[in-house]
Amino acid sequence: GAVVSQHPSWVICKSGTSVKIECRSLDFQATTMFWYRQFPKQSLMLMATSNEGSKATYEQGVEKDKFLINHASLTLSTLTVTSAHPEDSSFYICSAPDYESYNEQFFGPGTRLTVL
Amino acid sequence: AQKVTQAQTEISVVEKEDVTLDCVYETRDTTYYLFWYKQPPSGELVFLIRRNSFDEQNEISGRYSWNFQKSTSSFNFTITASQVVDSAVYFCALIYNAGNMLTFGGGTRLMVKP
Repeated sequence: GAVVSQHPSWVICKSGTSVKIECRSLDFQATTMFWYRQFPKQSLMLMATSNEGSKATYEQGVEKDKFLINHASLTLSTLTVTSAHPEDSSFYICSAPDYESYNEQFFGPGTRLTVL
Repeated sequence: AQKVTQAQTEISVVEKEDVTLDCVYETRDTTYYLFWYKQPPSGELVFLIRRNSFDEQNEISGRYSWNFQKSTSSFNFTITASQVVDSAVYFCALIYNAGNMLTFGGGTRLMVKP
């Protein structure tokens, strides 16, 4: 199946700094990518839909100025957590649908963010 | 709006027992897809199965089987002869045709003890 990578796999940062997470589709093009957040022992919650060449669509309650999404190419979407705080510590997972696979979504391995 | 409910938050079984994980969904769409994913401690989601709304056939894959019943809006997952390696969190998820974004259930943590 198709492969989606994420980088970094984990990151620890100080409060107030910004962190960029990359999501890449390695062997297919993705005009759309999805960003999910998962707090410990909870489910995955959709944060935003990343659209290549246009603005991302954010879910209710997600601050677009805090979670900046850039989908600059058909294989790369980035999520930047700006001025990170300890409450932003979470597991961030991206996914991309391969439209040739009938709605099957391919997930990245996730990025574990810890803000001190 | 779509909703997926996994009523069992945690299940503990002894190795070799059979276990069924329940999943109930809500959607107004006539075309939709249901999924099961496994999330081991590493965090990476492992795809297990996809079912479309027009295919109610049950499926068996090794020790895994799935029972899809539209009449009760359920898509239950059974592991036969469970093993310690089956210990993980299992998510049921729903996707409707238009948006391609997944709605996840709350997950069921399965612990298989030796």
